[in-house]
Amino acid sequence: TQLLEQSPQFLSIQEGENLTVYCNSSSVFSSLQWYRQEPGEGPVLLVTVVTGGEVKKLKRLTFQFGDARKDSSLHITAAQPGDTGLYLCAGGRDGGATNKLIFGTGTLLAVQP
Amino acid sequence: DTAVSQTPKYLVTQMGNDKSIKCEQNLGHDTMYWYKQDSKKFLKIMFSYNNKELIINETVPNRFSPKSPDKAHLNLHINSLELGDSAVYFCASRGGGPQHFGDGTRLSIL
Repeated sequence: TQLLEQSPQFLSIQEGENLTVYCNSSSVFSSLQWYRQEPGEGPVLLVTVVTGGEVKKLKRLTFQFGDARKDSSLHITAAQPGDTGLYLCAGGRDGGATNKLIFGTGTLLAVQP
Repeated sequence: DTAVSQTPKYLVTQMGNDKSIKCEQNLGHDTMYWYKQDSKKFLKIMFSYNNKELIINETVPNRFSPKSPDKAHLNLHINSLELGDSAVYFCASRGGGPQHFGDGTRLSIL
């Protein structure tokens, strides 16, 4: 069974602080996605990384795919209360119609004003 | 306009009952999915249909039966509900890009 472990599981920080969330696996994935989920809603895609070592930036969020395509990180600079939510990484194995995603264990982030 | 819509949003029922959850997408996508998110927020694929054909069937009890009348709809019927079925069930669709998720159906078994 492929497993994507996220750390930390919970994170409570003050507005303005920086943080990093990690997503680790022993399996290689063709792509790695990051989602944010808010209470009562479904996950919303933030970014997809596909190349080993790839770095993508989305405003204050920086995503990195590990060189071996087994791990990823999400770094948030100067966190804001609006960043509060459940962050999920998901590994994909494309090459077919299935696009089956293996989701990580999740990181619940709370940013206090 | 809602892209992926699920009904009902909340479902409270007793153990042993049979219930259905409906999902519709207006994105013109060919592939639809059902996921289960447990109390620890772990999200796991259950089924996937591509153009009304089952393409992913994870190790889900036979009490769960998906049905896709057309490629815009994927319904989930659950027989003989058990306490462990309590969870949030998400529908998603995909058309070549990323998956788009509905807002979930919270199923509570009494």
